[in-house]
Amino acid sequence: DAGVIQSPRHEVTEMGQEVTLRCKPISGHDYLFWYRQTMMRGLELLIYFNNNVPIDDSGMPEDRFSAKMPNASFSTLKIQPSEPRDSAVYFCASSFGGVPWPQHFGDGTRLSIL
Amino acid sequence: GQQLNQSPQSMFIQEGEDVSMNCTSSSIFNTWLWYKQEPGEGPVLLIALYKAGELTSNGRLTAQFGITRKDSFLNISASIPSDVGIYFCAGLGGAQKLVFGQGTRLTINP
Repeated sequence: DAGVIQSPRHEVTEMGQEVTLRCKPISGHDYLFWYRQTMMRGLELLIYFNNNVPIDDSGMPEDRFSAKMPNASFSTLKIQPSEPRDSAVYFCASSFGGVPWPQHFGDGTRLSIL
Repeated sequence: GQQLNQSPQSMFIQEGEDVSMNCTSSSIFNTWLWYKQEPGEGPVLLIALYKAGELTSNGRLTAQFGITRKDSFLNISASIPSDVGIYFCAGLGGAQKLVFGQGTRLTINP
């Protein structure tokens, strides 16, 4: 079975550019989470959705970050404009059965902002 | 905010040894989770604990939900090379937001 699929796996771009990260959750899962992982701050929840509706976006760093889930099989995390301090590994995760925590993580997008 | 203190930060052991790690907090959690992360991959859920005192096993892994609801423990018996990785605890509190520990990096000498 396909797990959570993220793209791209790696992204290198210059500061000021727009970055879009993509996620396809496991089919049938009703929760989708976006996490950021850095050495300094560890794993941080950015935002999560339940049935495509954003539930908690209090972890989104600032207005430069936005996330959407237009349907049950797709979500995006956008950074505009990007800054070097946004460099991190961004994970998408999903869960099913009303479980409000991540059961399955994708393999992440390693983002480097120069 | 809620924080988890995970220890030890790193462990260097011989193959075949048992491993113990723990997470503590000043806050009460309703659910405790343990994940393992290998290089270049996302965390993988190992064990979920739902009530105080619960003891749950997954193969050679055993985890416990502390009686006070402020701590959890993970034990790995008879370690093997594929146990290498970073182990994370995570707690879910009343606000339904999952908080992660900083991880325990496990290295095994064959």
